[in-house]
This record gives sequence, structure tokens and C-alpha cells, in this order.
Amino acid sequence: GENVEQHPSTLSVQEGDSAVIKCTYSDSASNYFPWYKQELGKRPQLIIDIRSNVGEKKDQRIAVTLNKTAKHFSLHITETQPEDSAVYFCAARTSYDKVIFGPGTSLSVIP
Amino acid sequence: DAGVTQSPTHLIKTRGQHVTLRCSPISGHKSVSWYQQVLGQGPQFIFQYYEKEERGRGNFPDRFSARQFPNYSSELNVNALLLGDSALYLCASSPTLREQFFGPGTRLTVL
Repeated sequence: GENVEQHPSTLSVQEGDSAVIKCTYSDSASNYFPWYKQELGKRPQLIIDIRSNVGEKKDQRIAVTLNKTAKHFSLHITETQPEDSAVYFCAARTSYDKVIFGPGTSLSVIP
Repeated sequence: DAGVTQSPTHLIKTRGQHVTLRCSPISGHKSVSWYQQVLGQGPQFIFQYYEKEERGRGNFPDRFSARQFPNYSSELNVNALLLGDSALYLCASSPTLREQFFGPGTRLTVL
């Protein structure tokens, strides 16, 4: 069935360093890939997304890349700050209009 | 500008009971999705509705049902509650079938 894998499950970086989170998806017909940030006790917030006809998208310190052939997509955060600490989820919208989330990556930015 | 609203905020039920959760989308958004988030896991897709029609269904038993009203608000119903149904239930609204904005969630506890 449809599946989204996400790695790593936990990530610690020093403030100012970059963080990379990687996801793979199983349904080759998936066409939309959002990323969400969820702080403790709060709702998930959409931080960036990418559609299947685009290979890369950037928004200030955040970028997402998509490799449709390999069914991989990644989140890159540059110049990390303590307020970037949260759980990050990738997701993929499948051909049957189902949105499958990855298991999440807990990012800690150490001041 | 109001965001997605959900009610109630918290709910305690006993096994075998029925529950109804409610969601009001952002004004102008015609799509509502429901997710179940167990502590420490990513949101699990339950349903998506667009223009009052079901557009996607996740791998949940028939005890879970939903509907969308003419004003685009939505209800999620769960019958014959089990202990394993205890979770945060999130509603997300979208202007299309892609970008989703989450509400604060309803915390359901089944005893």
C-alpha cells in the first residue's frame, strides 16, 4: 500500500548549521509533497510544498527538492536557529487523493 | 481572518460510545480533511471532502464516517469507540485539494 518513509527520526544540529531531512514515497503517481512543522502541543503548520512538475523550490532558509525517478524528496534548512526546533513531517498526496504523512523527524537546534 | 476552528477542544468518552467532532474551515475554503494523530506519530489520513463529496478515504474501519455541509463545515463521527481511538483529531481546510491548513484539534480520550 501507500507509504512514506522519513529519515532521520531525530536530528541535532548546532545553531547556524544546516539540517537535511529525507523522505521516500511508494506511489509513483503522487503529485504533491508538503512539509509541516509541529511544535509541542500545537497544530502542524505548512512550511513549504512542491508539486510533481517542479524539481526544487526555495523560500528564504528553507528549500525542498524532488526526485521523481527515485521517488525521493528532501527538506533543507540552512542557518538553523533555536526556533527551528520542532517535529517535521513530510507528506505525499497519492493518486487516490489520500495524503500520507511520514513518521516525523524531531529536530533540535543547539544554541 | 479566522483560521480553522474545531469543537470540542477536549472530550472524554467510554468504550462503546459514539462521538461527533466538528470543524469549520477557513472562509472560502471548499475542502476539509480529517486526520488522527496518536502521540509521537504523524497524522493518519481519515477522509477528505471537497464540495460536499468524499474525495479520499484512508484505511480506517467503517466505524468512522464524515460528511460536509453546504456551508463547507464538516463532522467526523466515530461509533463503538475503542481505547485505541484515543488521539488528537485534526481537521484541515484547503482552497483546493492541495495546500492544507490545520485546526487546533480535538483531543479524544476513550476510557
